[in-house]
Amino acid sequence: DTEVTQTPKHLVMGMTNKKSLKCEQHMGHRAMYWYKQKAKKPPELMFVYSYEKLSINESVPSRFSPECPNSSLLNLHLHALQPEDSALYLCASSQASRDRTLQKQFFGPGTRLTVL
Amino acid sequence: QKEVEQDPGPLSVPEGAIVSLNCTYSNSAFQYFMWYRQYSRKGPELLMYTYSSGNKEDGRFTAQVDKSSKYISLFIRDSQPSDSATYLCAMSALSGGSNYKLTFGKGTLLTVNP
Repeated sequence: DTEVTQTPKHLVMGMTNKKSLKCEQHMGHRAMYWYKQKAKKPPELMFVYSYEKLSINESVPSRFSPECPNSSLLNLHLHALQPEDSALYLCASSQASRDRTLQKQFFGPGTRLTVL
Repeated sequence: QKEVEQDPGPLSVPEGAIVSLNCTYSNSAFQYFMWYRQYSRKGPELLMYTYSSGNKEDGRFTAQVDKSSKYISLFIRDSQPSDSATYLCAMSALSGGSNYKLTFGKGTLLTVNP
């Protein structure tokens, strides 16, 4: 099973709302990622969690707040977003290992976020 | 110069054609090379993964890596309309000690016409 699930599929929010995106995987992966993808662009890395600890933050604005409550779950809390934050938010997971055979990242279907 | 260069296309071919997709890169630290397929409004799906120079075949797909030239390719044989999607090359290098970061190409939009 190489499935990463994300909820919700679609989200519309106002600039003053607080919402959360959720991601789950049951592959035993200990590295989890959040990416942002704008239309006709490749995914851009936002955050990396390794063994439930934040290990990479790509200078993302503080209105995006990640959380990794356990090894299977990853959340992205959203607050005071701007219309330009509208995008497809993708979660991915992989083994957290230097073994070269284990560097595959598997992506979820994404949450399409619209900020009004 | 961008770390990963990929012609965004669009590329349009007839059904049954052989498709060749390519990426070049400049960072010698890249160790692992992937091709993802992304249908419109969906998440990327891992198609091929390789970490050494040479060819790797999986069904109608062949991934080729030439580390000396910093060039990777994906070949699709007997292309089908269902192959119509955006194809993203991605490469990873160690970052921040123990994590591998993916760097993506821009993606090539492929249309296979019946």
